[in-house]
Amino acid sequence: QVQLKETGPDLVQLTQTLSITCTVSGFSLTTYNVHWVRQPPGKGLEWMGAMWNGGGTDYNSAFKSRLSISRDTSKSQVFLKMNSLQTDDTAKYFCAREDYYSRFDYWGQGVMVTVSS
Amino acid sequence: DTVLTQSPALAVSPGERVTISCRASESVSTLMHWYQQKPGQQPTLLIYLASNLESGVPARFSGSGSGTDFTLTIDPVEADDTATYYCQQSWNDPRTFGGGTKLELK
Repeated sequence: QVQLKETGPDLVQLTQTLSITCTVSGFSLTTYNVHWVRQPPGKGLEWMGAMWNGGGTDYNSAFKSRLSISRDTSKSQVFLKMNSLQTDDTAKYFCAREDYYSRFDYWGQGVMVTVSS
Repeated sequence: DTVLTQSPALAVSPGERVTISCRASESVSTLMHWYQQKPGQQPTLLIYLASNLESGVPARFSGSGSGTDFTLTIDPVEADDTATYYCQQSWNDPRTFGGGTKLELK
């Protein structure tokens, strides 16, 4: 069955770099797109960026050049890397699969990341 | 960016009909989707392409709309429907979500 699972640190220091891995199963990264979405505590969902099935990427301009998304298809993993973390980057980070209807049909459970000074 | 505007909260009694609206700042055709999120959980897909019911979702849920105005309807509402509901568009880049509508039961 389709599954996505995010793994990453619980705590990141101010101005440091966040790295999260999304490991997928039940589908191929060369067939489906994988997106990153985050949610600050008590707030709404924010789209961050995408890894397209063809290997290209797309980013929310709100993150300017801080954000990088990559993948390792042999390991069925998609990586999020974001630098210069601030306290307002404290959030739960989700990866989600996007299918041919452009809908997010499967989501990971998310990883809660706190940025600490 | 396409801004999606939702009412922040609604309170209804079990058995009633509730409509949750989502207005887009520009046309998104019918590439609008609806998600339900319960506290501490990931969002789950309810409706895709404005009006299509996701497999396994109760028929109490329905969606309508096109262009800039969309509606999610729950009829009748049940206690388990207490959650926050988000609309999301995938017509324009970047993908955007509405701010969410928190549904509470009286």
